[in-house]
Amino acid sequence: KNEVEQSPQNLTAQEGEFITINCSYSVGISALHWLQQHPGGGIVSLFMLSSGKKKHGRLIATINIQEKHSSLHITASHPRDSAVYICAVRFSVSSGSRLTFGEGTQLTVNP
Amino acid sequence: EPEVTQTPSHQVTQMGQEVILRCVPISNHLYFYWYRQILGQKVEFLVSFYNNEISEKSEIFDDQFSVERPDGSNFTLKIRSTKLEDSAMYFCASSELSGTRNQPQHFGDGTRLSIL
Repeated sequence: KNEVEQSPQNLTAQEGEFITINCSYSVGISALHWLQQHPGGGIVSLFMLSSGKKKHGRLIATINIQEKHSSLHITASHPRDSAVYICAVRFSVSSGSRLTFGEGTQLTVNP
Repeated sequence: EPEVTQTPSHQVTQMGQEVILRCVPISNHLYFYWYRQILGQKVEFLVSFYNNEISEKSEIFDDQFSVERPDGSNFTLKIRSTKLEDSAMYFCASSELSGTRNQPQHFGDGTRLSIL
C-alpha cells in the first residue's frame, strides 16, 4: 500500500531553535512536496523536490531517494512558523498526478 | 502572485441538498484538482481534471460527485444529496502541467462544508 508517514506528530520549540520534521514513504516516488497549513486551513506549497536539497530563506528540504526519506528543516525558528507541515508525494508516473498526504506535523514555536 | 481562489469560504447545507463548490484556478494552469480534509484527518485526493475531462479519480469520488469547467475560468465540484460525512474542508488546486512532468500544485484557501 502506498503510504506516507511523518514524525513527529506534534513538535513544540522555543524561538530560535533548529527544527527538523521527517517524512518517509513506502515505495518509489516521482516527487515529494512539503506544504504548510495555516490555522485557518489554507495550504501553501513550500517545496517540490525529487532529489537533493532545496533552500528558501530559513527553510531547507532534503530528500534521500534510496532511503525513501525526506526532511524539512527550519533554522532560527520563529513563532510565525507555527503551523501544520505536511509531506505529500506523487508515487509514480503511472499513478497519475494525485498527491498522497501524510498526517501532518503540528509545530508550535513559543516566544 | 497569482492565486487559486475558492468560494464560498464556508458553506452550510442541509443533509440531502446539493452543493456546488467553486474554484478559479491560476489562469495559465492546465491541470485542476479537488482534495478534501475531514476535520482532524489528513488531506485526501478526490479527482484531477485535464482537457475538459477527469484524468484520475479516487475511490471516494463516487456517483455523488461531479466536476465541471463551465467556462474558461471556473472549476466546480458538485455534491449531490449531501450526507453528514461529506462535512470537510475542500481544497482546489491547479498546476501548469502534469502527466510525466512534476509540477508544483497551487492550493486555494479551501471551502469549509458543514452538513446539518
